[in-house]
Amino acid sequence: DSGVTQTPKHLITATGQRVTLRCSPRSGDLSVYWYQQSLDQGLQFLIQYYNGEERAKGNILERFSAQQFPDLHSELNLSSLELGDSALYFCASSGGEGNQPQHFGDGTRLSIL
Amino acid sequence: GENVEQHPSTLSVQEGDSAVIKCTYSDSASNYFPWYKQELGKRPQLIIDIRSNVGEKKDQRIAVTLNKTAKHFSLHITETQPEDSAVYFCAASRGFGKFYFGSGTKLNVKP
Repeated sequence: DSGVTQTPKHLITATGQRVTLRCSPRSGDLSVYWYQQSLDQGLQFLIQYYNGEERAKGNILERFSAQQFPDLHSELNLSSLELGDSALYFCASSGGEGNQPQHFGDGTRLSIL
Repeated sequence: GENVEQHPSTLSVQEGDSAVIKCTYSDSASNYFPWYKQELGKRPQLIIDIRSNVGEKKDQRIAVTLNKTAKHFSLHITETQPEDSAVYFCAASRGFGKFYFGSGTKLNVKP
């Protein structure tokens, strides 16, 4: 158990819909990272938050947004969903802002029908 | 931005043999290089990492080497066991949160 909690584990929805993925970091960790992993693909960095503020942005689509709340949990919002958005979405957390080991949650598997 | 290339994409070895996975990066400012192991259907788990001020790091059967001049780093697994079978990812970061991952190496250890 990494200490990083992601909900829900599975999500099935239709094209055009909007979903919210939730992540609770390990106790004491201030940074939260979001990644997308498509089938048999690598990990694509989406966005990072540190102590409530956006710190780094990767290849995140404009239809996607995220935020980190005062209690440090984070949410990733995906809207106007397309078939290609089907993927495993991972959240990771670390203690610091920069180059620190990241601990991954078990992921949310999103299926778009 | 950074570009991380990882080779080979698949690697099959006999139990007890060594396995080597190589990654190259493009951004000379990258200074942190973690390696993750991902078993089928599970989350990536950090197995070892190295920072740019170190050339080599070992942890039991696992070692990582870094050549900053050539901008490449490698994962070495000795005395491989069937439970080492998984997908391995390398990554590079220059700080400020952005991590760039390689495309992964599927390691199969045959008993």
